Amino acid sequence: GENVEQHPSTLSVQEGDSAVIKCTYSDSASNYFPWYKQELGKRPQLIIDIRSNVGEKKDQRIAVTLNKTAKHFSLHITETQPEDSAVYFCAASTNAGKSTFGDGTTLTVKP
Amino acid sequence: GAVVSQHPSRVICKSGTSVKIECRSLDFQATTMFWYRQFPKKSLMLMATSNEGSKATYEQGVEKDKFLINHASLTLSTLTVTSAHPEDSSFYICSANPRGGKNIQYFGAGTRLSVL
Repeated sequence: GENVEQHPSTLSVQEGDSAVIKCTYSDSASNYFPWYKQELGKRPQLIIDIRSNVGEKKDQRIAVTLNKTAKHFSLHITETQPEDSAVYFCAASTNAGKSTFGDGTTLTVKP
Repeated sequence: GAVVSQHPSRVICKSGTSVKIECRSLDFQATTMFWYRQFPKKSLMLMATSNEGSKATYEQGVEKDKFLINHASLTLSTLTVTSAHPEDSSFYICSANPRGGKNIQYFGAGTRLSVL
């Protein structure tokens, strides 16, 4: 089955700095890669996603890159703010719809 | 749009009782719903995939007789934890994949189950 590895497990940055979270996947059939933000006790919220026919996608301060050959994708957050502090999960899924999640990254943005 | 409602948000029950959790897609039809379990500070662990009108597909290690899933309509899936025990205490989250939604999942708010 699919295996998704996510690094780092914790990340602390100063407000205004950039944050990068990386994930690798194993199943070459995976073609959809969403990123979720989860605040304590809340539901995961989709913040950005990318499909396998695209190499990069950007939405304001958030961007995602995908390298299909290397089977890795990354989340980039620029100009971080304290409200960006949360747990971030990457995921990989195939056409069957089932997603495999990474273990999560706890991001702390210090004011 | 794309709202998933999950109830109850919190339930406390005695050991041996059964608990039903509902997951509803409010403004879209969901051909597939997923049930996850999340331990504190851990990732989402997929328990089962629920398809409307057919039996759920359970992940390895998940007891189907313990965690009963019913997906009776395109907007409702239920998870029943039967004969709950303290080790079943956890955060359970559902998600729904809209028809034609190309793998996008929308999550419910989760249910915190505490078994005494």
